[in-house]
Amino acid sequence: EDQVTQSPEALRLQEGESSSLNCSYTVSGLRGLFWYRQDPGKGPEFLFTLYSAGEEKEKERLKATLTKKESFLHITAPKPEDSATYLCAVQARRGSQGNLIFGKGTKLSVKP
Amino acid sequence: KAGVTQTPRYLIKTRGQQVTLSCSPISGHRSVSWYQQTPGQGLQFLFEYFSETQRNKGNFPGRFSGRQFSNSRSEMNVSTLELGDSALYLCASSLESGRSEAFFGQGTRLTVV
Repeated sequence: EDQVTQSPEALRLQEGESSSLNCSYTVSGLRGLFWYRQDPGKGPEFLFTLYSAGEEKEKERLKATLTKKESFLHITAPKPEDSATYLCAVQARRGSQGNLIFGKGTKLSVKP
Repeated sequence: KAGVTQTPRYLIKTRGQQVTLSCSPISGHRSVSWYQQTPGQGLQFLFEYFSETQRNKGNFPGRFSGRQFSNSRSEMNVSTLELGDSALYLCASSLESGRSEAFFGQGTRLTVV
């Protein structure tokens, strides 16, 4: 069964304290792995897509990496505005079906 | 470029009623997917439509249904509402089915009382 597990469930950081979020997955053929950011009461905001092991993507203070079993979202010198829930999702290589399988997310709080 | 638009943003319904939610995808996107988000289960896939055809369906009862129009706009319907249907319903649009990033709307918050 395709599955996505994110850890930790919650993470509290001081402003400037770098850390990483983990996304472990099992899927029968990975088409793509996606990272989203979600603020309370809003829809997920697209951050990155990773397609193959070894791939990396960066955007401002965020860097996403991918291996054959997991992905990491590295946050460098975070600011309070980075506080949000970060969601990881995978898309299986199964025909042309487009559904995403989501993890439960990591709730990040960055204190000034 | 306008994003994904979902209406209404908030709904309160009574058990047993039915509800219809609407989603307008990003211009040019032909795939629309629907997800249910609850605190306990997270984001769960409901169904996907592409070119007015249902391409994929999640593990939800038949009370949940949807459709897509020729302009790619989509609606989802929930009949005989139950308290457990209270959730944030999210719509996502993609250029193609299964081959591109999905962009989400702000969601419709449904409360069943």
